[in-house]
Amino acid sequence: GQQVMQIPQYQHVQEGEDFTTYCNSSTTLSNIQWYKQRPGGHPVFLIQLVKSGEVKKQKRLTFQFGEAKKNSSLHITATQTTDVGTYFCAGVEAAGNKLTFGGGTRVLVKP
Amino acid sequence: DTGVSQDPRHKITKRGQNVTFRCDPISEHNRLYWYRQTLGQGPEFLTYFQNEAQLEKSRLLSDRFSAERPKGSFSTLEIQRTEQGDSAMYLCASSLELHLVGGEDEQYFGPGTRLTVT
Repeated sequence: GQQVMQIPQYQHVQEGEDFTTYCNSSTTLSNIQWYKQRPGGHPVFLIQLVKSGEVKKQKRLTFQFGEAKKNSSLHITATQTTDVGTYFCAGVEAAGNKLTFGGGTRVLVKP
Repeated sequence: DTGVSQDPRHKITKRGQNVTFRCDPISEHNRLYWYRQTLGQGPEFLTYFQNEAQLEKSRLLSDRFSAERPKGSFSTLEIQRTEQGDSAMYLCASSLELHLVGGEDEQYFGPGTRLTVT
């Protein structure tokens, strides 16, 4: 079955620094979604990428979908303490279908 | 509150007992999903409904698990003869079919039901 892998598993970042988390799927995806889960909270949708090579930005967050639609990345610039949480990518094989989540990247920010 | 709600928020049960969880999706959403999340892991798909029809069920889901969505609104997830390995957070999510909104196919998650089997 489909597998989604994320690296790194943990990211310790100094406040103000940049970092990138990567996501790889074992199968070609219809789309990929990113969610953020704060400690003790539930996943909250951030963005969906559908087109090959697509790049979307949300303020300090930049999301990219690979040309082969099998990988994605999230880049955060000038990390803030509000960025603390776990970032999950979730692959969708067929539009409107189930999400297959990666293991997440747990982000800790050092002030 | 117009978000996804789940009840109960916490459940402690003894091994071998049956438990039932309820999920109320966002009212106009026709798709409903159940996921299970253990500590330090991403949510794992269990099953999903489109209206009242159960369209997919994970092969990881044993026969002890059953879900229903009888009127296409709220859903229940029942676990029979619970085992310690069933301890997890059970998350419900809902979404609106993409072509009906023409936008993003995001899923809205509820707060979850944390199950502890002793």
